[in-house]
Amino acid sequence: GEDVEQSLFLSVREGDSSVINCTYTDSSSTYLYWYKQEPGAGLQLLTYIFSNMDMKQDQRLTVLLNKKDKHLSLRIADTQTGDSAIYFCAEKDTGRRALTFGSGTRLQVQP
Amino acid sequence: GAVVSQHPSWVICKSGTSVKIECRSLDFQATTMFWYRQFPKQSLMLMATSNEGSKATYEQGVEKDKFLINHASLTLSTLTVTSAHPEDSSFYICSAIFTSGSKNTQYFGPGTRLTVL
Repeated sequence: GEDVEQSLFLSVREGDSSVINCTYTDSSSTYLYWYKQEPGAGLQLLTYIFSNMDMKQDQRLTVLLNKKDKHLSLRIADTQTGDSAIYFCAEKDTGRRALTFGSGTRLQVQP
Repeated sequence: GAVVSQHPSWVICKSGTSVKIECRSLDFQATTMFWYRQFPKQSLMLMATSNEGSKATYEQGVEKDKFLINHASLTLSTLTVTSAHPEDSSFYICSAIFTSGSKNTQYFGPGTRLTVL
């Protein structure tokens, strides 16, 4: 089945850039997503990228997709303490409407 | 944007009782909703796909008689955990598909934390 993997933890200083990486195995992925989850809360959709795109930028967020290597990254510029959360990447393929999630990366922003 | 709510946000129950969790799409209609389960410090695992007006589709390993899903209207899906046991304690998150033209986006509810004593 599909598999999505992420590193578990990332620590950065406030004001630095954060880069969260994700790899996936499903070659028929159509959309790839980044969600943010704060403690005890649900998931907030941050951004998504269609599989025929290489890059998408939305304010402080930049998503890069290397389809050949099945590698997705989320860059957060000027990281703030409010960005501390767990970030999940997820993929959707053409055959399913549900998403397959990675294990989540806990981002800790040091003041 | 599209909003999905869940009720209750948290519930504590005794072992052997049943608990119903509601998932509502507040400002859009959703023919398809999903139920996920998240254990502490783990990812979301899809439990089932809830289809309005028809039976839910369960993922492998999920007991359909234990996790009853009813999608009776275009804005409401319910998950009932029957005869709950401590191992059912988890964070249950629903999502709903919002369709705009040819684009489908999945929006998530805030989750329901279930603790079974």
